[in-house]
Amino acid sequence: DAGITQSPRHKVTETGTPVTLRCHQTENHRYMYWYRQDPGHGLRLIHYSYGVKDTDKGEVSDGYSVSRSKTEDFLLTLESATSSQTSVYFCAIRAPGQGKYEQYFGPGTRLTVT
Amino acid sequence: DAKTTQPNSMESNEEEPVHLPCNHSTISGTDYIHWYRQLPSQGPEYVIHGLTSNVNNRMASLAIAEDRKSSTLILHRATLRDAAVYYCILSDAGNNRKLIWGLGTSLAVNP
Repeated sequence: DAGITQSPRHKVTETGTPVTLRCHQTENHRYMYWYRQDPGHGLRLIHYSYGVKDTDKGEVSDGYSVSRSKTEDFLLTLESATSSQTSVYFCAIRAPGQGKYEQYFGPGTRLTVT
Repeated sequence: DAKTTQPNSMESNEEEPVHLPCNHSTISGTDYIHWYRQLPSQGPEYVIHGLTSNVNNRMASLAIAEDRKSSTLILHRATLRDAAVYYCILSDAGNNRKLIWGLGTSLAVNP
């Protein structure tokens, strides 16, 4: 158990509304990631963070923003949700150590945009 | 980015060994090979990783070809709980070691 929680676990929202998903870790790891998973696609990286206030874009970052004001929390915001953002969102942390690039994932948030 | 190719699906019988293949012909010298699996309705779970040599852990073994263009994940005795999607992934060779995910192999285990 890598101590990763995501909230909410399920959310239904309407098109055009803002949505914030939270990822919380208890292990004090530096690297955190947000992915989305859709049928027919592998996990796709949205944004990642390599420290407090240090974030960078992944391959599908359009329409998403992130913030990391504390080591333990990584927030993903959809400023104005669209139906194409209906997906399962996973947060992950990366274990440190030379040659060790294991990522540990949270339970996921299922987001439906109607 | 280097990509991997895996069969869409495989089937095994309970208590038999399973060999899950992965091709990664464009792998670079610094790319690690990772395997993850995803059980239904759960987040992905780390299984094993390696660079050049074969690796063993409590979950599985990883056999890496000498030219590193392919690898095989070996589950020594499949159980029903091993039914999952298995992902073979190469790490990005850059500083932040991003993982590049494909569609994986869906493994069914028959009782």
